[in-house]
Formats: sequence, C-alpha cells, structure tokens
Amino acid sequence: GESVGLHLPTLSVQEGDNSIINCAYSNSASDYFIWYKQESGKGPQFIIDIRSNMDKRQGQRVTVLLNKTVKHLSLQIAATQPGDSAVYFCAENGGYGQNFVFGPGTRLSVLP
Amino acid sequence: DTAVSQTPKYLVTQMGNDKSIKCEQNLGHDTMYWYKQDSKKFLKIMFSYNNKELIINETVPNRFSPKSPDKAHLNLHINSLELGDSAVYFCASSQAQGVTEAFFGQGTRLTVV
Repeated sequence: GESVGLHLPTLSVQEGDNSIINCAYSNSASDYFIWYKQESGKGPQFIIDIRSNMDKRQGQRVTVLLNKTVKHLSLQIAATQPGDSAVYFCAENGGYGQNFVFGPGTRLSVLP
Repeated sequence: DTAVSQTPKYLVTQMGNDKSIKCEQNLGHDTMYWYKQDSKKFLKIMFSYNNKELIINETVPNRFSPKSPDKAHLNLHINSLELGDSAVYFCASSQAQGVTEAFFGQGTRLTVV
C-alpha cells in the first residue's frame, strides 16, 4: 500500500556547494549498503556502496560514510552540479544475502 | 544495449482487468526482483527470484504473481487490478542477492482507472 505518513525530505543546495544526504538504517545485521540516484522518469542508478568493515569510501565527487554505532549512513557530493538533482536512496541488505531494503529517499534540488 | 529492460513503460487499465509486465536482463545475473514505488517515491520489494527460488514479500497480495521462463526473464502478472495498484513497478537484477548492487529497469507506470 501507500507509505502513509512518510514524506520525501528535500535538500536544496547552491550549485558548486557540497551536499550531504543522511540516512538512518534500521538493521544492525546489515553488512552492505548502497546509495542510489533516481532521476525523474528513470529507475534507481547505483552511485556508490560500502561494506560494514569500512567506515568511509570515496568515488568520483562522492563519499559515503558509515557509522555502525548509531546506524547512520551519509552521502557527500562535492561541488554539486545541476545534473545531481534527483532523489537519492540509501539501501541496506539486512544481513548477508538478504534482500535490500530502501530508505524513504531524499530529493536533492540544485539551485543555480 | 539496455541492461534491464521492461515493457510497457506506461500501462493504463480498468479495475478488474488482468495485466502483465515483462522484464528481461542481459547481464547474466542470477537474481531478479520486482519493486513497487508509490506516489511518495517509497520503494518496496515485492519479489526476488534466484535460481528458481522465489522469495515473496508477505505483504504482497496474491493477485500478484511473478513468472520466470528462464534466468534472463521475470515477468509480473497482476490479476483483478485495483485502484491501489497504481504505482511505478521496477524490475531489477543483481549477480547475487544482497551481496552486489542491483541494476534497475526504467520502470512501468501502472494507472488503474
């Protein structure tokens, strides 16, 4: 059914600034986490992942931080560009070999 | 070449009808999925299918049934469509369940009138 009561958080940033998108995950057994980007009219697209034996991973302009103590994940985007405007989802696997569970998503709007 | 393709992209149908959405992946992956995305963008897994093992999300009505003729295809059949079934349905695949990233199709926007 519908995700009643949930809303899509929105983050607005100026072009060129850094963006930080946060995610609280729920299952302490999760050992693999992924950030996805979903542009309008498209399916989610993989950005970066991190496994539970790491606390930081860097990609091109993106960094994922994992804090297992407080079950928190963040995605940092450097020098945000208009093309970064999208909905961003974190996903956790709930343990090895389990199906991914997606967070509620955050809409990132990049202002000119 | 599209890695995960699903058809149709849009589907408008009346309540009570039966419809199917097709999905094909050319990545050689072992696991395929169906997700439902509601109007608030919430993504929820419906099914995963791995080596002929079907895992069903217990909240999915039994009017929904996946059919996999082979490893590269996972179709979604929906019987007796209801207004609340209106959503965007995504097919996805991965090398292994919960261990590697999933690749998503473009989605099928289903509107039940």
